[in-house]
Amino acid sequence: RKEVEQDPGPFNVPEGATVAFNCTYSNSASQSFFWYRQDCRKEPKLLMSVYSSGNEDGRFTAQLNRASQYISLLIRDSKLSDSATYLCVVNFRDNAGKSTFGDGTTLTVKP
Amino acid sequence: GAVVSQHPSRVICKSGTSVKIECRSLDFQATTMFWYRQFPKQSLMLMATSNEGSKATYEQGVEKDKFLINHASLTLSTLTVTSAHPEDSSFYICSAIQGGGGQYFGPGTRLTVT
Repeated sequence: RKEVEQDPGPFNVPEGATVAFNCTYSNSASQSFFWYRQDCRKEPKLLMSVYSSGNEDGRFTAQLNRASQYISLLIRDSKLSDSATYLCVVNFRDNAGKSTFGDGTTLTVKP
Repeated sequence: GAVVSQHPSRVICKSGTSVKIECRSLDFQATTMFWYRQFPKQSLMLMATSNEGSKATYEQGVEKDKFLINHASLTLSTLTVTSAHPEDSSFYICSAIQGGGGQYFGPGTRLTVT
């Protein structure tokens, strides 16, 4: 079983839709959590950190559930520019700062 | 956010040659940088952790003599792919951590070995 698992998708949604991605992690000794987005043939870019209290940045909301060991990302009012691959990233304690990446969930927003 | 640069962005070389890729943190100091490789339609694969002033730590299965890493300063790490072969063709990406936040990635270097 992978340490960080994501539904690969693809998710195909119309503009304006609300879409949610989930990510589960297996190591309970996890320290910090992030969502990145990666456009085709580009580097990953940090979208937002994820906190236990939940956090929101505009149309994006991230949630962390430590008890169930999952992270979610909600995108409201999807835009065409939201089309990308979304990567779930977990930093485990005592792992020398290394991050473990999920394989990513691909989102395509259509007009 | 923090800025990480990479150079070159694209390189095409002949089999058997060596290629050096530079990774720089432009507006912060990075004692630790990471080197990744990504093949088409696959996820990022961590190759090694680059530590300023000490030897790099390689992930299992990554040949340290083939992928030479030098982290000579707090803002620069280099990856040299020695005696490159077509199977080394890939997208190489570096990243650096600023403070306790997430990693900031360079724009990547697309290596094609003919």
